[in-house]
Order: sequence, then structure tokens, then C-alpha cells
Amino acid sequence: QSVLTQPPSASGTPGQRVTISCSGSSSNIGSNVVNWYQQFPGTAPKLLIYNNNERPSGVPDRFSGSKSGTSASLAISGLQSADEADYFCAAWNDSLNVLFGGGTKLTVL
Amino acid sequence: QVQLVESGGGSLKPGGSLRLSCAASGFRFSDYYMSWIRQAPGKGLEWVSCISSRGSTIFLADSVKGRFNVSRDNSKKSLYLHMDSLRADDTAFYYCARGSRAYFDYWGQGSLVTVSS
Repeated sequence: QSVLTQPPSASGTPGQRVTISCSGSSSNIGSNVVNWYQQFPGTAPKLLIYNNNERPSGVPDRFSGSKSGTSASLAISGLQSADEADYFCAAWNDSLNVLFGGGTKLTVL
Repeated sequence: QVQLVESGGGSLKPGGSLRLSCAASGFRFSDYYMSWIRQAPGKGLEWVSCISSRGSTIFLADSVKGRFNVSRDNSKKSLYLHMDSLRADDTAFYYCARGSRAYFDYWGQGSLVTVSS
């Protein structure tokens, strides 16, 4: 059981805005930055959002992140079929380890 | 361009040992912390370990402490994961990644380790 809690699934139609939540505690999200990863089937994860809300070069601005207290969110606007993937949040934990969320499978209807 | 290539995976019985390697290229390897992250087939991501740029500081997940260790050879631009006393629940794809503290900006393609009797 992951210490960072994500919904197992999310869905939306093309063009819609979808958000994925990630809930933690004061010892991880509450005191450290949150990063998000995108993973397509059969491939390695890719860094999508870092430092809560920053995008690596090449990531479209349709993807955005936010953090408040012990929770974080990933928002995808203008949803596209190409966004169908698994999304994972991650944060450093004050117990000197890295925590990942259980992952959210995004389906574009 | 940055490339990370894992090798050394395979199938083995419980209690066995294995060493995974990760060959890095396209960046100054000795400047970066490096990490191992694993993913059981069809499951989520689990952080395994992290090693500082010079190898002087190592972090390990509780689930592997006492059984796994991580090392690096900066002269060879290589990262290693030494796995002992392997169990069935260690079965996973093992990814090498550049970075630490939940920030991993480049990942390898993964190496599958299967532990089964």
C-alpha cells in the first residue's frame, strides 16, 4: 500500500480538463516538493512535472501541477487521446526515502 | 543525449544473488546522484536506492535493507545494484534513473528480474 494516495483511475473526453490528486502527510508532501511522472505501457516513466509545478523542456503547458498542504494535483487541460497513460506522483519523505503514489490510469473516452 | 542502459537481469530461484548494471552516457556521470526504482509487472513504482555522486552516501528502501546494496564506478560511468537473498516479491523491472529525492529526469529502459522457484 502506497503512502501517497492517488485515485486508481481517471477519465475524460477529448478537450476536457482532468485533475489527478495525490495525498500524503506532513512528513512527505507537507515538507517536500512533489514530482509527477507519466508512463505509457511497456516504456519507462518520464518526468512530467517537478518542484510541484514546473515543466521540463518539451512538456506541453497543457500539463500543470499544484500543491497545497499535504496534497498535490496534476491537471491536464485540452485532453488528447495521446495523454492516455499512467500517472504517478512522488515525494521525498523525511524518513530518508522516496515515496511514489500508487498510480492513476487515465482513460480518454 | 543522455542514455542509461541497464543490464544483468534474468530469472533465478529464491535466495539467489544478482548484480544489475547501468551504463551511463551523454552527461558528466560523476556530477549526479543516481537511483534505482523498480516496478513489479502491472504494478506501481517503488523506489529502491540512491547513491551520491561520489558514492559516499547511500539510501536504501526498508524493503531491501540488509539484502541489496548500490555502488558506482565513476571511471566507468556505471551504476550497480547488488541483490542478495532474493525473494519472489523482488520480481520487477528495475530502472536506473538520474537524480534523487523523488526527482528523476532520465530513466533507463529497465531490466527484468524474475525470482521464482
